[in-house]
Amino acid sequence: GAVVSQHPSRVICKSGTSVKIECRSLDFQATTMFWYRQFPKQSLMLMATSNEGSKATYEQGVEKDKFLINHASLTLSTLTVTSAHPEDSSFYICSANPGTGHQPQHFGDGTRLSIL
Amino acid sequence: GESVGLHLPTLSVQEGDNSIINCAYSNSASDYFIWYKQESGKGPQFIIDIRSNMDKRQGQRVTVLLNKTVKHLSLQIAATQPGDSAVYFCAENIRNSGYALNFGKGTSLLVTP
Repeated sequence: GAVVSQHPSRVICKSGTSVKIECRSLDFQATTMFWYRQFPKQSLMLMATSNEGSKATYEQGVEKDKFLINHASLTLSTLTVTSAHPEDSSFYICSANPGTGHQPQHFGDGTRLSIL
Repeated sequence: GESVGLHLPTLSVQEGDNSIINCAYSNSASDYFIWYKQESGKGPQFIIDIRSNMDKRQGQRVTVLLNKTVKHLSLQIAATQPGDSAVYFCAENIRNSGYALNFGKGTSLLVTP
């Protein structure tokens, strides 16, 4: 149980393109999902907390207008990288908690974004 | 800001030996800790967790130890197998900060035959 699915797994596109990444909780509802970014051989860095039915909470230094987050249902959050540039190339990973309180977050398998 | 860090960036062990991966944290308000395993090209996979009111927790072949006095966390893997080769991250959740996780730098575990 507690499966999180991410799509697509890999995207290669030209600079200036906007890219949408989907994160779905398959067998549970998640009022909160999280988006992380991971550069090669580095750790996961929290970008934002996605809240169902309300605005996302962004970490310091993360541009809200660059990384648009929508959490329109209890099983789906989307991250749109707008006007992507080569420096946005990274591994984007989402996670969700199957319940409330302290529980291990369950992660998707990530999206490898490569901007040419 | 305060963060979670790791003592060893890489660890090489022989198959069958026990592995110990260490993690230090600096925020005394951290009250929940998780160890994750990440294989190449995949998302982190939950291994074991521990709350701050405990100092030890055991799972299948894994044990997590928490020393709040020195703010230290360790993951012990018994009888390490080639399939254990991966990057291991400790992560902390800080009390009253929501449920987002702060990840440590990671340790790459390489199991040799």
